[in-house]
Amino acid sequence: SQTIHQWPATLVQPVGSPLSLECTVEGTSNPNLYWYRQAAGRGLQLLFYSVGIGQISSEVPQNLSASRPQDRQFILSSKKLLLSDSGFYLCAWANRQGATFLFRTEAFFGQGTRLTVV
Amino acid sequence: AQTVTQSQPEMSVQEAETVTLSCTYDTSENNYYLFWYKQPPSRQMILVIRQEAYKQQNATENRFSVNFQKAAKSFSLKISDSQLGDTAMYFCAFMKHGVGAGNMLTFGGGTRLMVKP
Repeated sequence: SQTIHQWPATLVQPVGSPLSLECTVEGTSNPNLYWYRQAAGRGLQLLFYSVGIGQISSEVPQNLSASRPQDRQFILSSKKLLLSDSGFYLCAWANRQGATFLFRTEAFFGQGTRLTVV
Repeated sequence: AQTVTQSQPEMSVQEAETVTLSCTYDTSENNYYLFWYKQPPSRQMILVIRQEAYKQQNATENRFSVNFQKAAKSFSLKISDSQLGDTAMYFCAFMKHGVGAGNMLTFGGGTRLMVKP
């Protein structure tokens, strides 16, 4: 079965410090990978997605970047954190869709990282 | 671009009763998926139910069922026999269908459901 690991679970960082959140997926190959952010009391916003090694698409211009050094590894980074970067970050994966609806698809989420920038 | 709207920020229901959460969406796509995700206090996102747009039959999963109205772009979630463990944030989400679509989810703002004993 497939599993997704995300760490750390909680992080408190000072403004201006760097950030590295890591996500790994087991039990599948060539997944699509995603980073979402959830601000307090609000819905999820897609930050980055990747359809392959080294392929990163950004949905929202911001202080963050993402990398995919290996097929099942997805990293969210920042060189200098801002107060507005605080939030709950979720990594997710999904199988790539086929040409028909016969191919089941849905997104599976990690347990999230609560980031507080102080 | 797609948008998903959940017009009920908070709802409450008595244990064992039925509650319906609303969701509307806007898209120009004809083929897509719709989902309801549950986020309990642990913050883990859990898939509750999914619906393929080409299916006219409404999806059901045990106590959870949807009312999918494609023409009206409405996708409501009905929870029957509510249980205390159903207390959570519920998110409606949209995903385009197609090879190369990327499988990105567009989420609504969420509905906080409280089940009261």
